[in-house]
Amino acid sequence: NAGVMQNPRHLVRRRGQEARLRCSPMKGHSHVYWYRQLPEEGLKFMVYLQKENIIDESGMPKERFSAEFPKEGPSILRIQQVVRGDSAAYFCASSPDLANTEAFFGQGTRLTVV
Amino acid sequence: DAKTTQPPSMDCAEGRAANLPCNHSTISGNEYVYWYRQIHSQGPQYIIHGLKNNETNEMASLIITEDRKSSTLILPHATLRDTAVYYCIVRVGLDNYGQNFVFGPGTRLSVLP
Repeated sequence: NAGVMQNPRHLVRRRGQEARLRCSPMKGHSHVYWYRQLPEEGLKFMVYLQKENIIDESGMPKERFSAEFPKEGPSILRIQQVVRGDSAAYFCASSPDLANTEAFFGQGTRLTVV
Repeated sequence: DAKTTQPPSMDCAEGRAANLPCNHSTISGNEYVYWYRQIHSQGPQYIIHGLKNNETNEMASLIITEDRKSSTLILPHATLRDTAVYYCIVRVGLDNYGQNFVFGPGTRLSVLP
């Protein structure tokens, strides 16, 4: 059973471009969480999704950021018109459709905005 | 905001037990205690979780006090590879989904040779 897969591992974008980060959850997992980690800082929650539904997006910036988890395919975190401050590591995690279970994290996508 | 309090850093000698404390004095009855760690800049790694009984797995033991207001993660024989930031998280499970996992600053454990 493969772990949580994130791609790309490294992404470089120029200011103003769009960044698309992909997360394929573990097999059988229908819950996905996205986190951002700025250099030398902690993990900040962004959004929690269940298949086709956003459960909690309290950590998502109001503009330029969006997330989806379609019925088929990976979860996508989209950042439009990237700025230098978006440079960070973005981690996703997945968990099964059961409460009180652990979530497993991917190795992250490191976004660099130049 | 995180509902837990942890010391910012700890040292442990290689081969000795590492005991990492966590205070969660406002924990409610349906909240679980989870432990994760992050080694360097890798993705966080799940360690263990529990509700009120002590738990043990191949990585660690989790000791939760009877009043559930604090817990201790025990790494029985720490190695250099256990050097990481350790996060204690409380999280409620509701019906068929839970809350997100809220990470605080954690404890930076340094295992010394």
